[in-house]
Amino acid sequence: DIQMTQSPSSLSASVGDRVTISCRASRSISRYLNWYQQKPGKAPKLLIYAASSLQSGVPSRFSGSGSGTDFTLTISSLQLEDFTTYYCQQSYSSPYTFGQGTKLEIK
Amino acid sequence: QVQLQESGPGLVKPSQTLALTCTVSGGSVSSGGYYWSWIRQHPGKGLEWIGYIYYSGSTYYNPSLKSRVTISIDTSKNQFSLKLSSVTAADTAVYYCARYKNSDSSGYIFDSWGQGTLVTVSS
Repeated sequence: DIQMTQSPSSLSASVGDRVTISCRASRSISRYLNWYQQKPGKAPKLLIYAASSLQSGVPSRFSGSGSGTDFTLTISSLQLEDFTTYYCQQSYSSPYTFGQGTKLEIK
Repeated sequence: QVQLQESGPGLVKPSQTLALTCTVSGGSVSSGGYYWSWIRQHPGKGLEWIGYIYYSGSTYYNPSLKSRVTISIDTSKNQFSLKLSSVTAADTAVYYCARYKNSDSSGYIFDSWGQGTLVTVSS
């Protein structure tokens, strides 16, 4: 199985800050990497696919980059509704695995 | 816009079989190009892909659960289902159904999800 490791596990920031979340794969997954946002009690929502493509309807303050084993999700200017949990997921090979999540908290 | 809705018992006894159904609206499970999936999330934890089924009936399971999982599809009802046998407390989780589709770029995406249903395994 491909292991996905996110860092940090939690992050404190303020409204307006620029933040970066990292995701590392245990072996190369090319650009087969997706990012999801999950709010409490809700299903995950797709933000970024294929490492850097913005899903329709997602604000442009979200962006993704990377390839191979190292990926990042960047939020350019945090809004109040962004303080929640984010997951990366690889679609390179089965079983399709997720990172353990990064919880973004208000400082 | 496709919508998915899970249904089934919220409480299952240990050693019994967990059975959930996902009803799809606004789209057809018979459409090619989509893999109808089950994903679970243990309380306060991350996400675990269980498996998926194609409209043809082909299935793909997570090896960690493969011996206990069966996913089936009913095109006449526009539904697909999950059965997980010999459950223990470790199977207590929120279970989501989701659609897995080609992103037209690199790889596939879970683009539509049900709202999730909590299944508790307890006597």
